[in-house]
Amino acid sequence: GQQVMQIPQYQHVQEGEDFTTYCNSSTTLSNIQWYKQRPGGHPVFLIQLVKSGEVKKQKRLTFQFGEAKKNSSLHITATQTTDVGTYFCAGRGNQGGKLIFGQGTELSVKP
Amino acid sequence: NAGVTQTPKFQVLKTGQSMTLQCAQDMNHNSMYWYRQDPGMGLRLIYYSASEGTTDKGEVPNGYNVSRLNKREFSLRLESAAPSQTSVYFCASSEFLGQVVKGSYEQYFGPGTRLTVT
Repeated sequence: GQQVMQIPQYQHVQEGEDFTTYCNSSTTLSNIQWYKQRPGGHPVFLIQLVKSGEVKKQKRLTFQFGEAKKNSSLHITATQTTDVGTYFCAGRGNQGGKLIFGQGTELSVKP
Repeated sequence: NAGVTQTPKFQVLKTGQSMTLQCAQDMNHNSMYWYRQDPGMGLRLIYYSASEGTTDKGEVPNGYNVSRLNKREFSLRLESAAPSQTSVYFCASSEFLGQVVKGSYEQYFGPGTRLTVT
């Protein structure tokens, strides 16, 4: 069945450094969503990408959807302590149906 | 607007006990979901309800049952709890499941229930 793999599992950075998490699917996706979960909190929706090669920005966050629609990335420029948390990608297959979540990347930021 | 609410927030069960986790949303959403979150495993879908009156299995349905009581409420039942069911459980809802052109709909998550089975 459809699988969504996310790497790395953990990332520790110094405040001000950049951060990237990658999401790869075993099958072509119709769309991908990204969520952020603060420590002790619940996942909160960040963005959705639908088109092949799509790039979207939210302030210091840049989201990309691969040309083949099988991978995606989230890049944070100049991390801040407020970026701490776990970032999840979630993809939906071309046949429709529900989202499949990746394992998440836990980001810690050292001030 | 409370969004998605879950009860209880914490629960400790003994092996073999049963319990029901409650979830309600006030956003008039059609689709609702139950996930479990374990370290290193991400969010795994247990059951979902695409619309009122329907329920379907997700990735890890064994040991669980669900009821879509009405459009607002979606409960998760553990009939005979096992230590492997120790986890954080999240309920979520979305306007619809998804569309081919538009993609999926944003999911709104509840605060979670921390369940320990001893």
